[in-house]
Amino acid sequence: QSALTQPASVSGSPGQSITISCTGTSSDVGSYNLVSWYQQHPGKAPKLMIYEVSKRPSGVSNRFSGSKSGNTASLTISGLQAEDEADYYCCSYAGSDVVFGGGTKLTVL
Amino acid sequence: EVQLVESGGGLVQPGGSLRLSCAASGFTFSSYEMNWVRQAPGKGLEWVSYISSSGSTIYYADSVKGRFTISRDNAKNSLYLQMNSLRAEDTAVYYCARVEEAVTMYYWGQGTLVTVSS
Repeated sequence: QSALTQPASVSGSPGQSITISCTGTSSDVGSYNLVSWYQQHPGKAPKLMIYEVSKRPSGVSNRFSGSKSGNTASLTISGLQAEDEADYYCCSYAGSDVVFGGGTKLTVL
Repeated sequence: EVQLVESGGGLVQPGGSLRLSCAASGFTFSSYEMNWVRQAPGKGLEWVSYISSSGSTIYYADSVKGRFTISRDNAKNSLYLQMNSLRAEDTAVYYCARVEEAVTMYYWGQGTLVTVSS
């Protein structure tokens, strides 16, 4: 049950696009299209942003998109806005386990 | 409106026990899988345990296996986490979350803080 690997931090200016990677193994990300992404603001509960690799829940901006290639999933945020500044976590099914990434702090400059 | 409300957190000594509850409303509780997820102070999210809608399938993280027990009472729309042999590293905010396909957590509670300290 090793955590998925995410960059500790990423940053971008308003209007720019950023991508957060999430690297797992052939036992988790690589084997299942069950990857989700969560946004968490300080002191708040996580919020689902992407599920099943690339699906967006209703109410989530289409500026958020997800993809996967091999053992690596990615979250892309386009047209960065100040309110996007938060921590982001990926999560993958891994058979009889669920594994999160270590989290990425997004700073909007 | 979907609501998940955790309770039962608090201060407990190392080696002690605590039972967390999660009261669900606004949806048909018996139709949904549930997860417990925790977050240590200043740290990332950590999955703790999963239970299927009927309670017949249960998974645990290695870090809590043998010490924690997840259960549910569909008649009472409630999810539970019995935590025994608590350690300092179990200190965290514990969230319950409604789940689809194990990792799609649409709805989360506000969390309950568990502090393990002497």
